[in-house]
Amino acid sequence: SYVLTQPPSVSVAPGQTARISCGGNSIGSKSVHWYQQRPGQAPVLVVYDDSDRPSGIPERFSGSNSGNTATLTISWVEAADEADYYCQVWDSSSDHYVVFGGGTKLTVL
Amino acid sequence: QVQLQESGPGLVKPSETLSLTCSVSRYSINTHHYWGWIRQSPGKGLEWIGSIYQSGYTNYNPSLKSRVTISIDTSNNHFSLRVNSVTAADTAVYYCARRSGYDPDYYFDYWGQGTLVTVSS
Repeated sequence: SYVLTQPPSVSVAPGQTARISCGGNSIGSKSVHWYQQRPGQAPVLVVYDDSDRPSGIPERFSGSNSGNTATLTISWVEAADEADYYCQVWDSSSDHYVVFGGGTKLTVL
Repeated sequence: QVQLQESGPGLVKPSETLSLTCSVSRYSINTHHYWGWIRQSPGKGLEWIGSIYQSGYTNYNPSLKSRVTISIDTSNNHFSLRVNSVTAADTAVYYCARRSGYDPDYYFDYWGQGTLVTVSS
């Protein structure tokens, strides 16, 4: 089945830019979606189809995808952005279908 | 705004069956969307369990397929999950969610708050 690899943790100071990577074989040929999960809460979709934002998600959240790496970028990081972030793709080449990355803990210093 | 709410027992004994229901409000379940279940073991990442369409068509995570059944009740606007022969490894927060997007790219745009199910005697 398809595997998505994320770094376990990323740290950034307030006001700086956080970049969270999601690696996968030719992931650039797939659409990547990103979820934010604050402690004790359900995941929230923050980016879909590589770079689109659902309504209500700040423009500070953006995404890109090329080659073997997709990236979630959070500009002007705030304390409230501290959360776990998961990437996800739909793998139609196997019967596994929905694949999540292992998650990245974003710490705001 | 679509709302989803999971319900069911919070404690299940080993070898028994876990049963949960997801009630959907402010949106008809009888649409072009699929509806799914995702779980998260304590301190771990997200694991997709399976999804169902209004017609009853399902797809499941191969690692769970032999023990999982997802059903849908369009009359009452809810869908359900059953996991047979549970063990401690099935202890997790179970989420229901709406699947959106277009073939072959799908994502989950609305989620329930989640419900913790503990497997213990």
